[in-house]
Amino acid sequence: EAGVAQSPRYKIIEKRQSVAFWCNPISGHATLYWYQQILGQGPKLLIQFQNNGVVDDSQLPKDRFSAERLKGVDSTLKIQPAKLEDSAVYLCASSLQGNSPLHFGNGTRLTVT
Amino acid sequence: QKEVEQDPGPLSVPEGAIVSLNCTYSNSAFQYFMWYRQYSRKGPELLMYTYSSGNKEDGRFTAQVDKSSKYISLFIRDSQPSDSATYLCAMWGGNNRKLIWGLGTSLAVNP
Repeated sequence: EAGVAQSPRYKIIEKRQSVAFWCNPISGHATLYWYQQILGQGPKLLIQFQNNGVVDDSQLPKDRFSAERLKGVDSTLKIQPAKLEDSAVYLCASSLQGNSPLHFGNGTRLTVT
Repeated sequence: QKEVEQDPGPLSVPEGAIVSLNCTYSNSAFQYFMWYRQYSRKGPELLMYTYSSGNKEDGRFTAQVDKSSKYISLFIRDSQPSDSATYLCAMWGGNNRKLIWGLGTSLAVNP
């Protein structure tokens, strides 16, 4: 079983620039999550999709972050404009359904200078 | 009070030691409990997934849930340097379908 794929692995941008991350979940997994993880902290949920519908985006800073899940499979997360405090690892995870264990990708490490 | 409390450590033990990692929680509705291991520059990897109270064993790892005390543990027997990582607990249940995470405990196993 192929794992969750994420790209890019690393990204360095200047503040006020925009950036996009891509995620391909495990085949057949209906639920997809985007998490933000700051060094030394647990993952913070940004958005959860069930197929291509949003289940929870209560912690997504909607003035600058957006996400979509194309045809219920791949997903993109965008930040525009980026702030220094957005420097973090952005993790994508997927699960068969909402109460199944999550499987994570290796994340995208974003540095905003 | 946070819903899930986890001591961030760091915890340093000699190779071969028994390691005990713990989380406490406040929401009695939690039913599903998970332990993830995260190596540096990698995503979290599921180690153990348990439902309700009791013990679950997988090789050198044992997950223990005590719902009456709102306390979960992960035991690692015969610890190895390759076990050096951050261990995260996570749980969910009840009306809140959001997975709640601990901060993670950093473990170093010294050869």
